[in-house]
Amino acid sequence: AQKVTQAQTEISVVEKEDVTLDCVYETRDTTYYLFWYKQPPSGELVFLIRRNSFDEQNEISGRYSWNFQKSTSSFNFTITASQVVDSAVYFCALCIQGAQKLVFGQGTRLTINP
Amino acid sequence: EPEVTQTPSHQVTQMGQEVILRCVPISNHLYFYWYRQILGQKVEFLVSFYNNEISEKSEIFDDQFSVERPDGSNFTLKIRSTKLEDSAMYFCASRKDRNNYGYTFGSGTRLTVV
Repeated sequence: AQKVTQAQTEISVVEKEDVTLDCVYETRDTTYYLFWYKQPPSGELVFLIRRNSFDEQNEISGRYSWNFQKSTSSFNFTITASQVVDSAVYFCALCIQGAQKLVFGQGTRLTINP
Repeated sequence: EPEVTQTPSHQVTQMGQEVILRCVPISNHLYFYWYRQILGQKVEFLVSFYNNEISEKSEIFDDQFSVERPDGSNFTLKIRSTKLEDSAMYFCASRKDRNNYGYTFGSGTRLTVV
């Protein structure tokens, strides 16, 4: 069975600080996909990134970066120079190849204070 | 950019009533999903649908739930006799084919059972 753990339930930082959201996953499959979604207060799920298990290159998109480490089964997400608009719940998710469903973590509620 | 459209955005219903949540997936997508998120909790898989039949369902998806693709565009989730614990955000999602793991989520329907 697959499992995603986001141990940080809530994080609160002051604007402009860097913040890292942790994600640890469990699967016995060798081919899988990892995702991050943002859920702002309005409730929708906003896709941020998808990464397959064969691509361990870190990725940077503006202030966002992702660190994928298969050795520790982690796919962490860093926001650099955080802004108030980054306040949201962030979900990490896993899907194994050939499967239908996404398995989500519990989410991390991030609050950026001005 | 193509979107998954869900209606209504918010529905209030009395316990015991039937409710139908509607979704219009992206037109060239072949796989359709419903997910549920109880307030403050993680997003959970309910059911996947392909080629006009359910391909996978979770334990949550009991006999009270059904899905249907009544025409070429709509994808519906019906709850026959709603309970208080059915109150949640329901997300519809679609993806293009079995080799494409680009899930597109709708903005959700918030169901409140009173």
